[in-house]
This record gives sequence, structure tokens and C-alpha cells, in this order.
Amino acid sequence: NAGVTQTPKFQVLKTGQSMTLQCAQDMNHNSMYWYRQDPGMGLRLIYYSASEGTTDKGEVPNGYNVSRLNKREFSLRLESAAPSQTSVYFCASSPRYTEAFFGQGTRLTVV
Amino acid sequence: AQTVTQSQPEMSVQEAETVTLSCTYDTSESDYYLFWYKQPPSRQMILVIRQEAYKQQNATENRFSVNFQKAAKSFSLKISDSQLGDAAMYFCAYMGGSQGNLIFGKGTKLSVKP
Repeated sequence: NAGVTQTPKFQVLKTGQSMTLQCAQDMNHNSMYWYRQDPGMGLRLIYYSASEGTTDKGEVPNGYNVSRLNKREFSLRLESAAPSQTSVYFCASSPRYTEAFFGQGTRLTVV
Repeated sequence: AQTVTQSQPEMSVQEAETVTLSCTYDTSESDYYLFWYKQPPSRQMILVIRQEAYKQQNATENRFSVNFQKAAKSFSLKISDSQLGDAAMYFCAYMGGSQGNLIFGKGTKLSVKP
């Protein structure tokens, strides 16, 4: 079982470049999430999607956009990357009101 | 807005001993879920234990158990017979509300001494 698949696993961007982080789940979950993890800050919610076609802002949405393309896929886009967006990004999914399952994470460095 | 607070940035325990990690949360919801996740150096997020708020009985999973105090909004994790493989970051998390939003605390780094 693939579970939650994130691509890429590592990425280096120059300031001002754009990129999209891809996330797909094969568990037929309704809810999907994007988090960023920084030292000492835990996992902070960027955006989440409670169902196909809906998205909502989390704690730290500035500088990011998301697309819930279908029930399986939830992408995160950085339109103009900044050094402050250097972080580890996690995608997760859940069937709602039970535990979430996580991808392996993407380590993003913006120089 | 819901919040999750872990007041212990770092903890240390001797192998085979017992350690308790603290977590408090704030919510106006009556129905919600609480979780403890483990994150080893591999970065993988691993579910340790889950507690449904409507259940008064504390959840247990082998050496892991929780002390859930709903009125006090407290959700601590007890690890018994600690093992070297328990060394990791531990995150407390809350899921609730109409959207099922999942919120994490800042984490506790647990070290296990041989």
C-alpha cells in the first residue's frame, strides 16, 4: 500500500522561483492537510481540505496556494519562494475524526 | 481557535524507567479526538495512541498509556519500561470542529539513556 505519497523529497529553490509540491493518497480519505515543520515550532497547518472541492486556510497560509484536484490529490504551490519558506513540508490525509496518515515529507531549501 | 500546548521541550529517561509527557489543549468543542505521534530521526510521523473525547476510559497501547482529564483539558502520555527505540520527538495533536481540523503542539524531544 502506497498510503500518502509526496513528491519531491528534496528541493532547492532560488528566491523568487515557483514550485508545486504534489501529494496523493490512495486510501479514499476525505480530509487532506499541508503542514510545515520548523525547529521548535512543531507542525503548523498551512491549508487543509475537508472534502473534494473545498479548501481552508490554516495557521500559516501566507505565501502558499493549494488545489484539491480530486479526492486523491492535494497540491501546495509556492508562487514566489522566500528564504522564510525553507522548511520540511508534510502532507497528510485522514478519513475524518480519526488519525491522520502522513507522507515522508519534503525538505525545501530556498537560497 | 483550538490550541495545543506541550510545556516540556525536552525530557530524558533512563532505559527501563517510566516517563510522562504533558499536553494541554483548549477547545470549546465537546466532541473531538486527541493523538500522540512519534517522530524519530527518519522524520516519519507514527501514530502512538488515540483517545476519543467521549470515552472516559484512558487509552492504552502496550507500554504507552494516556491520562485523559477532559475537564482539565489535559492529555498526558506515559511510557513504561522505556526503550532506546523510544527516543524521538513526540507530538500531541487535537482533531475536532466541523471541519475536522488537526492541530499539533510544538513537541517534546525524548532522550533515553542506556
